[in-house]
Amino acid sequence: QVQLQQSGPGLVKPSQTLSLTCAISGDSVSANTVAWNWLRQSPSRGLEWLGRTYYRSKWFYDYAVSVKSRMTINPDTSKNQFSLQLNSVTPEDTAIYYCARVSPAFDVWGQGTVVTVSS
Amino acid sequence: DIVMTQSPDSLAVSLGERATINCKSGQSLLYSSNNKDHLAWYQQKPGQPPKLLFYWASTRESGVPDRFSGSGSGADFTLTISSLQVEDVAIYYCQQYYSPPYTFGQGTRLEIK
Repeated sequence: QVQLQQSGPGLVKPSQTLSLTCAISGDSVSANTVAWNWLRQSPSRGLEWLGRTYYRSKWFYDYAVSVKSRMTINPDTSKNQFSLQLNSVTPEDTAIYYCARVSPAFDVWGQGTVVTVSS
Repeated sequence: DIVMTQSPDSLAVSLGERATINCKSGQSLLYSSNNKDHLAWYQQKPGQPPKLLFYWASTRESGVPDRFSGSGSGADFTLTISSLQVEDVAIYYCQQYYSPPYTFGQGTRLEIK
């Protein structure tokens, strides 16, 4: 049974970096049939896909245009996890953040992290 | 980006009655290479992440009751609950995985009448 466990701070100051980690159990971050994603949900933006990473002999990355210049996803094979970094956050980045596996749709989700951007 | 539009925004149905939620995509989600519609349905209850109900438009995820069914092809899709139960009260979303950025519908809130 695949499980995703999210960790990271729930409060980030404006202009700082939001960092979250998603630990994988029951699957491998470098499995070549799945992709590992970050999404967020807010009342104003609904459910929003942010980006993904996947391994197909090498690592691939895709990001939503809305966050592409500020976002990085890093897979960590030694810890079997992947992380999200979102730079220069503003109050508009306040949301519930989720990690999720795609196989072929979002079939496994993390528990969600409520992130508030406020000074 | 592929725009996903659900109707209605909210729905109240009596227990035991049928509930129908529609989803329209801005383009066909039928992928020619595998002849499958890249459309999924999710159920979300308060305080929980979305739960996958269907993928490939009509393939039921393991453990989903068979009162739930998914149908449609191309750009028009439907989620049907044949006999509404109390535990079905939730928000339902459709989502396309035809091409990134993956996009969701705005959600349909289902309540008991």
